[in-house]
Amino acid sequence: QVQLQQSGAELAKPGSSVKISCKASGYTFTSYYISWIKQTTGQGLEYIGYINTGSGGTNYNEKFKGKATLTVDKSSSTAFMQLSSLTPDDSAVYYCARDYPGPRFAYWGQGTLVTVSS
Amino acid sequence: DIQMTQSPSFLSASVGDRVTINCKASQNINKYLNWYQQKLGEAPKLLIYNTNNLQTGIPSRFSGSGSGTDYTLTISSLQPEDVATYFCLQHSSRPLTFGSGTKLEIK
Repeated sequence: QVQLQQSGAELAKPGSSVKISCKASGYTFTSYYISWIKQTTGQGLEYIGYINTGSGGTNYNEKFKGKATLTVDKSSSTAFMQLSSLTPDDSAVYYCARDYPGPRFAYWGQGTLVTVSS
Repeated sequence: DIQMTQSPSFLSASVGDRVTINCKASQNINKYLNWYQQKLGEAPKLLIYNTNNLQTGIPSRFSGSGSGTDYTLTISSLQPEDVATYFCLQHSSRPLTFGSGTKLEIK
C-alpha cells in the first residue's frame, strides 16, 4: 500500500535551517509528484509547492520562495524540504503528499512538527 | 490567489442526520475541488476529488456536488466516526488554496 513516512519532530533556533524527509513506498516513486503543505492553528493549511520526482523540477507558492527548498533522492525514493532562516512563524506541522497524476493529495505523510524557539 | 470561503466553521449534528458543508471560491474553479477529512492528531484524508468523485475506500454516505464557485460536501447519514474537521481544496489555479475548515461534532 502507498505510504509516505516523514522524519521526526524538530526543535530549531531562530535563524537556523531544518531539513524534513518524506520516504515513499508502495508505488513507483518517480511516477508521481510530491507536494508539501504547512498546517498551523492560525493560518490553517497552506500549499508550499511541489517537486517533479522524475526530473527534479519544482514549483513554489510565491509566499514560500526563499523559505522552502524542495529536493529529491530517487535512489531512496525520498523527498526533502529544507526550511531556512527560521522564525517562530515557521513553527507548524508540515506534510508531504502524493500529487500529480491522479487525485491531488490522495496520500499524505503523518506530518512533521517543527518548533522554532530560542 | 483564489480565496476559499468555507461554512460553517463549526457544526453539531446528531447521528443519522444529513450534513452539508459548503465552500465558495472567489472565482470559477471549474470543478477542481477536493474534500478532505482530518481527525484529531492525524493527517488529512482525501474523501472526494474533482467535485463529485468518491475516493477509493470512502463510504458512499459521502458525496460532493457543485460547479462554478459553489461546492458542497454532503454526509447523508452522520456516523460517530465522522467526527473530524473537513477541508476543501481548490486546484484550479496556483497557488492551490484550502478552505479554513469545518469542525464537525456529534450532538
